[in-house]
Amino acid sequence: QVQLEQSGAEVKKPGASVRVSCQPSGYTFTSYYLHWVRQAPGQGLEWMGRINPNSGDTKYAPKFQGRVTMTRDTSSSTAYMELSRLTSDDTAVYYCARSFGSGADPWGQGTLVIVSS
Amino acid sequence: QSALTQPPSASGSPGQSVTISCTKTSNDVGDFNFVSWYQQHPGKAPKLLLYEVNKRPSGVPDRFSGSKSGNTASLTVSGLQAEDEADYHCSSYAGRNNVIFGGGTKLTVL
Repeated sequence: QVQLEQSGAEVKKPGASVRVSCQPSGYTFTSYYLHWVRQAPGQGLEWMGRINPNSGDTKYAPKFQGRVTMTRDTSSSTAYMELSRLTSDDTAVYYCARSFGSGADPWGQGTLVIVSS
Repeated sequence: QSALTQPPSASGSPGQSVTISCTKTSNDVGDFNFVSWYQQHPGKAPKLLLYEVNKRPSGVPDRFSGSKSGNTASLTVSGLQAEDEADYHCSSYAGRNNVIFGGGTKLTVL
């Protein structure tokens, strides 16, 4: 059974950075791209980017370019998403999801990030 | 403003069919061959319903179907059930391997 386990909720101050982890299981970590998507409270989904766990190659959405870094550790089969220079607008649930065709499935359970002074 | 536009809400009675549209407003989306649809229940992670317009992952009921015509892709839910009440999101590739989402549609089963 394919599952993606994410790290726990975070509370950060404006200007800080946050790192969220995503540890898939049930398949070969390096065989599928991983996407990162966020959802602000009451809002729609927003794609942040994706990483190729095999090569480490990344593609970031233009909105997040320069502020997001996606990495992976193949030894622990874990992917990471770090977002810097946080503002209150970054308060959201952050999801990782495995690539599936033109979409993504399954998704992690989500990580709530609250940015507040 | 997203390059994919969805109606904010839709509704139908049990047993009826409902269609949710996803209209592209940018040429970056290309010919719309890579549209995906997701279902999201409150407080839960999204679940993939359809990819590449009309392909269903294993386990997704055939009550969910997809199509596209011109600048609009559509998700049709047939034989509405109470459990279908959820938010539905479309997504597509959009130029240089970016991905974009529509704003989401809240489906209410009356």
